[in-house]
Amino acid sequence: DVKVTQSSRYLVKRTGEKVFLECVQDMDHENMFWYRQDPGLGLRLIYFSYDVKMKEKGDIPEGYSVSREKKERFSLILESASTNQTSMYLCASTPSTIGIAKNIQYFGAGTRLSVL
Amino acid sequence: GDSVTQMEGPVTLSEEAFLTINCTYTATGYPSLFWYVQYPGEGLQLLLKATKADDKGSNKGFEATYRKETTSFHLEKGSVQVSDSAVYFCALSSTSSGSARQLTFGSGTQLTVLP
Repeated sequence: DVKVTQSSRYLVKRTGEKVFLECVQDMDHENMFWYRQDPGLGLRLIYFSYDVKMKEKGDIPEGYSVSREKKERFSLILESASTNQTSMYLCASTPSTIGIAKNIQYFGAGTRLSVL
Repeated sequence: GDSVTQMEGPVTLSEEAFLTINCTYTATGYPSLFWYVQYPGEGLQLLLKATKADDKGSNKGFEATYRKETTSFHLEKGSVQVSDSAVYFCALSSTSSGSARQLTFGSGTQLTVLP
């Protein structure tokens, strides 16, 4: 079975702290994604990575960075957390095959981050 | 750019009622269309998909037909159950995009089914 694991389900941090959100997939997928989910806004893409050490900005990259040192792990970093980054964060992955398979994203359970 | 518009929720139905959640899209090229479902406390999971015009995706009693003429992909189920209570997301992946692996999601529709 496909598995995407996010390291924390709930996280509470202080304004200005550096925050790491970790995501690991066990499917040997090339592509990994970070989204944030907010009520009424759906999912918005923050960053994605199509290979180790490669990354591309999504729709809302400001205030975030990412790291992909190993194929199975994709980290989201909040350099200096702010209250407007309080949200649900979802990680996803897809294989890099041709056709419809590469568009089917597999999601982790999410990390609910509160920044106080 | 690409966009997906879903009917606003929340939607509350009684068990065995008929469900429709509307979804329309704007995209260049020939997108693939998806419905994802998020059960309470979980991540999103694929419910069904369609890759070309007139395709019908189906799963767990849910259906959606890719209508290119109306740019729509409405989700339907003939008889909902309490266990269908979840948030439903419509999404598209456009093959004309340089980053074709990306999905564009709608805002989500919360469905609550009462016994």
